[in-house]
Amino acid sequence: ETGVTQSPTHLIKTRGQQVTLRCSSQSGHNTVSWYQQALGQGPQFIFQYYREEENGRGNFPPRFSGLQFPNYSSELNVNALELDDSALYLCASSLGLDRNLYGYTFGSGTRLTVV
Amino acid sequence: AQTVTQSQPEMSVQEAETVTLSCTYDTSESDYYLFWYKQPPSRQMILVIRQEAYKQQNATENRFSVNFQKAAKSFSLKISDSQLGDAAMYFCAYKGGGSRLTFGEGTQLTVNP
Repeated sequence: ETGVTQSPTHLIKTRGQQVTLRCSSQSGHNTVSWYQQALGQGPQFIFQYYREEENGRGNFPPRFSGLQFPNYSSELNVNALELDDSALYLCASSLGLDRNLYGYTFGSGTRLTVV
Repeated sequence: AQTVTQSQPEMSVQEAETVTLSCTYDTSESDYYLFWYKQPPSRQMILVIRQEAYKQQNATENRFSVNFQKAAKSFSLKISDSQLGDAAMYFCAYKGGGSRLTFGEGTQLTVNP
């Protein structure tokens, strides 16, 4: 059983650029959630995808967008990067939706630095 | 909106001793789940323990146990026989009827040899 894999592990981008982060979910999981964790803070929910559809979104602007593919892997895209987007981006996969009795499996994250 | 508060930014404990991390939350929902996650320097969030709100019995996982007080909206984590490998950032998290986990700000636990 493989866990959640995120790529790249580290990334440096310039303000105004666009970035794509990738996540491969744990085998058998069909739901992917993305979180932003600023330095010294708890993770903040960005959005969740279930069977390729967005299923819930946090308080993030539209320049944060995502995709989920038929194999349940996912991408997080951020356009027009701002300095405040510098953070650790965590992906979590799970099985099912609201009655999530099985918990979440997290990846090790992508550290994004915007300069 | 649900909120989770961890009032202890840092805690320390001697190896083999017991430590308790505090967490309070605010919600109007009656059915929800509570979690404690551990985040070591490797950055991966690791589930330590989970509690269903409808269960009155406190969850226990080996050296880890919780004190769940539903009326007080309190969910503390007790680590017994602390080990050096327990050193990490610990996050309390809430999940209600929606799709998100709501995390607290975290408690950095140091284990002294």
